[in-house]
Amino acid sequence: DVKVTQSSRYLVKRTGEKVFLECVQDMDHENMFWYRQDPGLGLRLIYFSYDVKMKEKGDIPEGYSVSREKKERFSLILESASTNQTSMYLCASSPAGLREGAYEQYFGPGTRLTVT
Amino acid sequence: EDKVVQSPLSLVVHEGDTVTLNCSYEVTNFRSLLWYKQEKKAPTFLFMLTSSGIEKKSGRLSSILDKKELFSILNITATQTGDSAIYLCAVGGRRGGSNYKLTFGKGTLLTVNP
Repeated sequence: DVKVTQSSRYLVKRTGEKVFLECVQDMDHENMFWYRQDPGLGLRLIYFSYDVKMKEKGDIPEGYSVSREKKERFSLILESASTNQTSMYLCASSPAGLREGAYEQYFGPGTRLTVT
Repeated sequence: EDKVVQSPLSLVVHEGDTVTLNCSYEVTNFRSLLWYKQEKKAPTFLFMLTSSGIEKKSGRLSSILDKKELFSILNITATQTGDSAIYLCAVGGRRGGSNYKLTFGKGTLLTVNP
């Protein structure tokens, strides 16, 4: 079974703090994604990575950065946390290639971040 | 810009009812449409559809895609309280370096009352 793990289930941080959210997958997937999920807005893509050290902006990258130094690990960084970044953060991974299964993303359990 | 619209946004039914959830989309170079179920945790995969008219079925859940009219439906028959969840529709389209991105709809919140 594919397993995607996230470093914390719940996190409370103060405004202005630097926040690191870690995601690890064990299926040797090339693609990894960070989303945030908010009521009424659904899942929105922040950043994704299709290879080690490669990254691409998603739909809402402002205020975030990412790091992918190893294939299995994808980190989301909030350089200076703000209250509007309070949200559920979901990490996902998927295999590469043009075969049909490339679009099926496997999700981690999520990190509920509160910024006060 | 790719777009996925789900309807209804929420639905309350009684156990035993049949429900139909809708998903319409506009996406560049469509490749696949996926349905996920999300309870109080990570979304879990239900179906992936790539061809029109071919029904995918798993137990009481089934789904079909219409690529001409750009929509999909997810049917749940004989609903149970355990079906209560948010159902997410996502569409994958191929464009440039973003081959593997999914665009998600806002989801349908289904509540099944005993």
